[in-house]
Order: sequence, then C-alpha cells, then structure tokens
Amino acid sequence: NFVLTQPHSVSESPGKTAIISCTRSIGSIASNSVQWFQQRPGSSPTTLIYENDRRLSGVPDRFSGSIDSSSNSASLTISGLETEDEADYYCQSYGVSSWVFGGGTKLTVL
Amino acid sequence: QVQLVESGGGVVQPGGSLTLSCAASKITFSNSAVHWVRQAPGKGLEWVAFFRSFSNNKYYADSVKGRFSVSIDSSTNTLLLHMSSLRAEDTAVYYCAKADYGATYYYIDVWGKGTSVTVSS
Repeated sequence: NFVLTQPHSVSESPGKTAIISCTRSIGSIASNSVQWFQQRPGSSPTTLIYENDRRLSGVPDRFSGSIDSSSNSASLTISGLETEDEADYYCQSYGVSSWVFGGGTKLTVL
Repeated sequence: QVQLVESGGGVVQPGGSLTLSCAASKITFSNSAVHWVRQAPGKGLEWVAFFRSFSNNKYYADSVKGRFSVSIDSSTNTLLLHMSSLRAEDTAVYYCAKADYGATYYYIDVWGKGTSVTVSS
C-alpha cells in the first residue's frame, strides 16, 4: 500500500496563507481522490475538503484543496489565517479496499 | 443534521474482547456506508474498517483483520465494532464516521465524537 507524507508542523502568522502538503509514495496522486480533515485540540475530526478540491457544505472558502501530478502531492491552502485555524490537519486517500491517512500536520498560527 | 454517538469504550485486558456501538440520528445504517477510524493517544488518525451495508462490503485494515468485525443491529439502527484478541496497540479513541458517495468514491462527511478504549492489565 502507499504512504501519504505530510510535514510534521507548519507555522504562519494571522492573516497570512498556510499551505500543507501531502505527498503520495507510490502510484499517482491523481488516481484516487484526496480528502482533508481538521482536528482541533480535544475535538473529533471534521471534514474540510473531499474529492481533491470540493469544500464540504459550511466550510469557509478560505480553505481550498488541489493536487499536483508533477510533485505527486496534494495541498491544503488556508488563506486569511485566523487563530481558530490552529489545529491538526490530515489528508486521506484510498487504495484497493483500504483507506490511508497522512500522518497529520500541526498548524500553529502565531 | 446527521449525528453519530459512539459508546462501549472502556478498559479491557490484553487478549480480551469489547464491542463498540455507534448510534445515529437521521440516517439508517442499513442504507449507508460507514467507517471506523481510531486515534492512539498523541498519534494520528488510522483507518480501521469500512462497511457498506446494502452490498455487504466489509474491508479491514491489516492491523485488525481477523480480530475486528463490523455489523449492524437493524432493530436499533446501531453500528457495531466487535473487537477481540485485543492488544496494547489497540488503545485509542475510536470514531464512527459516515461516508457519502461523490463523483468517484466514498468520502467521510460526518464524524462522531469517539469512544475511548484502553487495553491494559
């Protein structure tokens, strides 16, 4: 099976833009859709992005997803950072009869 | 708004068994696709199992295959995760998550709040 690799941590200032990457180890990133989840401290995860770039209903348009075949990676972009965006972010995709999560990225907004 | 509520967690000895439950409002599990996902203390998310009831498709992570099984109690509209031969590394918060079908495949759109399982003697 493949592995999704995320940076352990990302830091950025309020109002700026943060980009979190998710690189697929084997196979094309474009072969199966990528989802993104947010998990605030002490809370259960929530879904932000599905099918690479589609926002779940109610998710602010400050959150956007994309994939880049040249780097075989997906990205979550958060613009106009707010302190409440400080959380762990996970990418996820699927293989043959299995679902794979990235290791997670801790976003610090300071 | 769909809500999922897990229960049944607790402390169990290594080698023991435990069954987790997930109750839902506004969906019927027999017509749905659902996942179990877990998170060990201080660690990331790990997919555990997927169940698509209407076609009886069940998929399990290698780490739990042969030890965990998913079923539905249709009379109470409850999703169950039967866990046996439990190990210390099964210690985690277990989330029930509903999946919706998009353009290409299933994606998680609703998460429960989780129930905690500790495997320890």
